[in-house]
Amino acid sequence: DIQMTQSPSSLSASVGDRVTITCRASQIITTYLNWYQQKPGRAPKLLISAASSLQSGVPLRFSGSGSGTDFTLTISSLQLEDFATYYCQQSHSVPYTFGQGTKVEIK
Amino acid sequence: EVQLVESGGGLVQPGGSLRLSCAASGLTFSTSRMSWVRQAPGKGLEWLSYISNSDPATIYYAESVKGRFTISRDNAKNSLYLQMNGLRDEDTAVYYCGRVSGLGRGTVDYWGQGTLVTVSS
Repeated sequence: DIQMTQSPSSLSASVGDRVTITCRASQIITTYLNWYQQKPGRAPKLLISAASSLQSGVPLRFSGSGSGTDFTLTISSLQLEDFATYYCQQSHSVPYTFGQGTKVEIK
Repeated sequence: EVQLVESGGGLVQPGGSLRLSCAASGLTFSTSRMSWVRQAPGKGLEWLSYISNSDPATIYYAESVKGRFTISRDNAKNSLYLQMNGLRDEDTAVYYCGRVSGLGRGTVDYWGQGTLVTVSS
């Protein structure tokens, strides 16, 4: 199985901060990488697919980059509604594993 | 508007069975690829199963549920199912159905609200 490792596991940030979350795959997955946002008690929401393709309706402050094994989710200017847990997921090979999540909290 | 509504969760004893359903609307279900993902209380997301839109369907499972869970679909009823047998304590989780789209077969672009399955004696 492909292992997905996110860092950090949690972070504290202020509104307006630039936030970067990294995700590393245990083997090459080209750009088969998704990012999801999940708020407490809610279903996950797809933000970015294929490593850098922003889903319709997702604010432009979110961006994704990377290929191969190393990927990044960046929030250029953190807003109140962005405080949530973020998961990466590889869609390259079964099982389509998720990272352990990164919780973004208010500083 | 795409809507996915799961049902069928509840309390079940270890070794028991449950059948989850996912009713889809607002999309062309027959041409949609679908998946199940779960989340144990306070834990992360775990991909469980995938079913294609082809006939016969291509089906994949996570090792943790292979041989115990069965994914299926009824296009006439716009519904996805997950038959869960031999349930264990560690199967306690919120179960989400989702539509698969985009690159690869793991990308879920629409999610249901989830249904809670509790396995306990």
